[in-house]
Amino acid sequence: DARVTQTPRHKVTEMGQEVTMRCQPILGHNTVFWYRQTMMQGLELLAYFRNRAPLDDSGMPKDRFSAEMPDATLATLKIQPSEPRDSAVYFCASGQLGGNTEAFFGQGTRLTVV
Amino acid sequence: SQQGEEDPQALSIQEGENATMNCSYKTSINNLQWYRQNSGRGLVHLILIRSNEREKHSGRLRVTLDTSKKSSSLLITASRAADTASYFCATPTGANSKLTFGKGITLSVRP
Repeated sequence: DARVTQTPRHKVTEMGQEVTMRCQPILGHNTVFWYRQTMMQGLELLAYFRNRAPLDDSGMPKDRFSAEMPDATLATLKIQPSEPRDSAVYFCASGQLGGNTEAFFGQGTRLTVV
Repeated sequence: SQQGEEDPQALSIQEGENATMNCSYKTSINNLQWYRQNSGRGLVHLILIRSNEREKHSGRLRVTLDTSKKSSSLLITASRAADTASYFCATPTGANSKLTFGKGITLSVRP
């Protein structure tokens, strides 16, 4: 079955370190989303791409976060430098959006910054 | 800002009972989607209802949409312990189908 794959599943890092999270969207999907989930804030949209072009990254702290799609099979979310408040579960989702279709989520990367 | 807002925030019912969850949204939509999230997992799409539909069924799920009230409801009939999860609604908005979620509803189904 086609699915969205995220790596790593878990990451523990020290404050100040760089963190890179990767996502392999479902082949053929034109839209890729990055979300962050915390108990306090719920599911926040950080950024999303259409046909690899960034559409909206207004939900992302610009000074430390960056999101890219180097090619159609890979999306990355990078945090540099990481801070304890970045601790959360980060989800990638992909879909063939623009019509009446849904998004498919990966299993998430649980990030802990100590 | 979030487009979809679910209520109640939490719901606890006995197995076999029906669970009704509500979602309100702010702007016009093309469709509204419901997702489920089991603890520690990613979201899974349950059902999509288009703006020109009023009701849709999928197994034990029934979704209604009232565009005049900008609201939707998700009904799970004959609930099971395995239905215990968080449920979210979402609507793609704008020309670029920006997909945002509410804070979700935590459903607990007691055996």
